[in-house]
Amino acid sequence: DTGVSQDPRHKITKRGQNVTFRCDPISEHNRLYWYRQTLGQGPEFLTYFQNEAQLEKSRLLSDRFSAERPKGSFSTLEIQRTEQGDSAMYLCASSLLSSGANVLTFGAGSRLTVL
Amino acid sequence: EDKVVQSPLSLVVHEGDTVTLNCSYEVTNFRSLLWYKQEKKAPTFLFMLTSSGIEKKSGRLSSILDKKELFSILNITATQTGDSAVYLCAVVPMDSNYQLIWGAGTKLIIKP
Repeated sequence: DTGVSQDPRHKITKRGQNVTFRCDPISEHNRLYWYRQTLGQGPEFLTYFQNEAQLEKSRLLSDRFSAERPKGSFSTLEIQRTEQGDSAMYLCASSLLSSGANVLTFGAGSRLTVL
Repeated sequence: EDKVVQSPLSLVVHEGDTVTLNCSYEVTNFRSLLWYKQEKKAPTFLFMLTSSGIEKKSGRLSSILDKKELFSILNITATQTGDSAVYLCAVVPMDSNYQLIWGAGTKLIIKP
């Protein structure tokens, strides 16, 4: 297992287009998180899954954003009708929730640029 | 509202210097605090702290938590250019279903 993988690493799109990002977590991890990060800021929580169940979505997440984790393994994050404000790094992280600890392992991120 | 504040926001020092980064928090029912290092890509885990006064060490990096005064510090001794990164702090409240509350990070630049 080589850690958390994200694809694509970079995406440039025109405003109004849809984009989809994929995340493959560490195989034995039961939790999967999506974060958004802009320059000079910490990660901003978007949503997370425990196994295949989506347990929480950020109040800041508009209905243009949707995430799935259909079989409790990989996850996709789709942004519909992209806007320039969606330009950011989208980080995926996974963890194995156990023994009162939740240490996240991050992927390298998918950088989105909306023109 | 729960929040995590890191200071300074940025810091420039010379190789060989010692630096101290701060993370203060206002969180209902604290569970744990985590430090991450972020270079150009993903944050990588450094330390998890749950108990006051117990120092965690890894090479030239060390961290300690003060649950009474609600802060943690990350020390880096004999800094090297490879220590240049953004250092992120996150806190996990007890009743949050293990959600992390992130600080904005401290950008550390080490000059040769």
